[in-house]
Amino acid sequence: SYVLTQPPSVSVAPGQTARITCGGNNIGSKSVHWYQQKPGQAPVLVVYDDSDRPSGIPERFSGSNSGNTATLTISRVEAGDEADYYCQVWDSSSDRGVFGGGTKLTVL
Amino acid sequence: EVQLVQSGAEVKKPGESLKISCKGSGYSFTSYWIGWVRQMPGKGLEWMGIIYPGDSDTRYSPSFQGQVTISADKSISTAYLQWSSLKASDTAMYYCATGSTVTRFDYWGQGTLVTVSS
Repeated sequence: SYVLTQPPSVSVAPGQTARITCGGNNIGSKSVHWYQQKPGQAPVLVVYDDSDRPSGIPERFSGSNSGNTATLTISRVEAGDEADYYCQVWDSSSDRGVFGGGTKLTVL
Repeated sequence: EVQLVQSGAEVKKPGESLKISCKGSGYSFTSYWIGWVRQMPGKGLEWMGIIYPGDSDTRYSPSFQGQVTISADKSISTAYLQWSSLKASDTAMYYCATGSTVTRFDYWGQGTLVTVSS
């Protein structure tokens, strides 16, 4: 089965740039989606199809995907960005969705 | 506005059955995939399965195949997740979520907390 690997935690100071990676075998050939989950809340889609943003998501959130790594980039990080972030793909070989293990973003 | 409203929290005993629901509104229920995601206490998201209410096409993660049943009643725009015999390890928050494609979830419900304890 397809496996997505994320770092458990990333820390960044306010105003700096946070980069959260999602590793998978030839993930560059798949569409990657990213979700933000704040404590006690349901997840929210923040980036889809590698680099597109849903309506209402700030431009500070961007994504890229190539080779074996997809990356969610959050520019000018704010305290309100502190959350867990999950990557997700559709594994067409097994006809199911897969989530990464999640990354906790801490704003110092 | 797309909304998914889930049924309330449940407390059950091991071996009991359960069916939780997720009612969609603000979009064409039969044209969007709707799926279920498990989050065990303090853990990450797990993709369980998904259904297309238009034709009841259903896909399951191998981890959940045979353990749960996903269904939908398009006449009342509601999707369901059910267990025939709960285990303590089924204790978790369960989210429904919908998307215009099978590959992702654009909108999420508020979650249903299921607690299984003797």
